[in-house]
Amino acid sequence: GAVVSQHPSWVICKSGTSVKIECRSLDFQATTMFWYRQFPKQSLMLMATSNEGSKATYEQGVEKDKFLINHASLTLSTLTVTSAHPEDSSFYICSAYDDSYTYEQYFGPGTRLTVT
Amino acid sequence: GESVGLHLPTLSVQEGDNSIINCAYSNSASDYFIWYKQESGKGPQFIIDIRSNMDKRQGQRVTVLLNKTVKHLSLQIAATQPGDSAVYFCAEKYILTGGGNKLTFGTGTQLKVEL
Repeated sequence: GAVVSQHPSWVICKSGTSVKIECRSLDFQATTMFWYRQFPKQSLMLMATSNEGSKATYEQGVEKDKFLINHASLTLSTLTVTSAHPEDSSFYICSAYDDSYTYEQYFGPGTRLTVT
Repeated sequence: GESVGLHLPTLSVQEGDNSIINCAYSNSASDYFIWYKQESGKGPQFIIDIRSNMDKRQGQRVTVLLNKTVKHLSLQIAATQPGDSAVYFCAEKYILTGGGNKLTFGTGTQLKVEL
């Protein structure tokens, strides 16, 4: 149980384009999901907290207009990187919070974004 | 031995030896501390956690020690196996007032198991 998926697992896009990453909780409902970014050989940094039916909460220094988050259902949150640039190339990881049974965050497998 | 890479400290151990991975934390208000294992190109995998009012917890082949006096956390892996090779992160968990929790991750340590 408590499986979280991400799609795509990797994506390459051209500079200036936008790319959408999906995060799904497969066997539980998640009112809250989290988006992290991880650069090579570095730790996970929380970007934003995604709340179903309301606006996301962004961490300090994260541009909300650049990283658009939509949490339209209890099992799906999306992160759209708008007008991507090479410095946005990173490993994006989501987690989903089980607020019904375990009260734990479960992590997805991550999405590797490369902007050329 | 232990060495510091460009960004990630590395711990190299022989197969069958015990591994000790250390973590220093900053916030005394954390409710839990968690160890995660991350293999290359994958998301973090939960290993074990410890509540802030405990000083030791054991799992299968793993033990976590918490020293609140010096704000230090360690993960001990017994009889280290090649499959243990990964990056290990400690994380502080805060339980939020309105429900939910927030995680803050530490730097991470690369564990390399030599045959």
